[in-house]
Amino acid sequence: EVQLLESGGVLVQPGGSLRLSCAASGFTFSSYAMSWVRQAPGKGLEWVSGITGSGGSTYYADSVRGRSTISRDNSKNTLYLQMHSLRAEDTAVYYCAKYGSGGYHPDYWGQGTLVTVSS
Amino acid sequence: QLVLTQSPSASASLGASVKLTCTLSSGHSTYAIAWHQQQPEMGPRYLMKLNSDGSHTKGDGIPDRFSGSSSGPERYLTISSLQSEDEADYYCQTWDTGINNVFGAGTKVTVL
Repeated sequence: EVQLLESGGVLVQPGGSLRLSCAASGFTFSSYAMSWVRQAPGKGLEWVSGITGSGGSTYYADSVRGRSTISRDNSKNTLYLQMHSLRAEDTAVYYCAKYGSGGYHPDYWGQGTLVTVSS
Repeated sequence: QLVLTQSPSASASLGASVKLTCTLSSGHSTYAIAWHQQQPEMGPRYLMKLNSDGSHTKGDGIPDRFSGSSSGPERYLTISSLQSEDEADYYCQTWDTGINNVFGAGTKVTVL
């Protein structure tokens, strides 16, 4: 059974930093691209970042590019998202998602971790 | 620019059918998409990948009541025999060069 468990969501001040983690199990982690998707309160889903299975290629939404780094440790089956210079508009539930083998669409989602940026 | 357009809301009676539409922007009519469901206070769940020819691949455990079809730039999700647990937000999603993903704004389905 595929499981994705996010952690690291916190209350952080504007301008602060954090690192989110996603522990994966139930599949061969290194074989699949992964992504982070967020959802601000009362809003829709927004893709944040993606990374290939090897970690060799990374992609970012314009809203976080330059302030975020996606990475993975395939020996630990864990996905990360490092964010800095956080803004109020980064407040959201952050979901980890596994991509399918037939295209870059999530086929499994985690339950999410809440990031609140506020003073 | 790759954009997905969805109607904000849809409704149908318990046991009836509802058809949701996701429209791809001009120049992107051959793109495949995926449909995702998000029930209240839950994380999203993958429903299916839908190709431009209407063929689709469902996620694990997705009931037969959920089906997909395509026509030109439009991608459809049909939910038959609506049940109360189908009341949710439904998002379409696609991808461009590399892993650059785009989500539609979502359609809220109400079961009457």
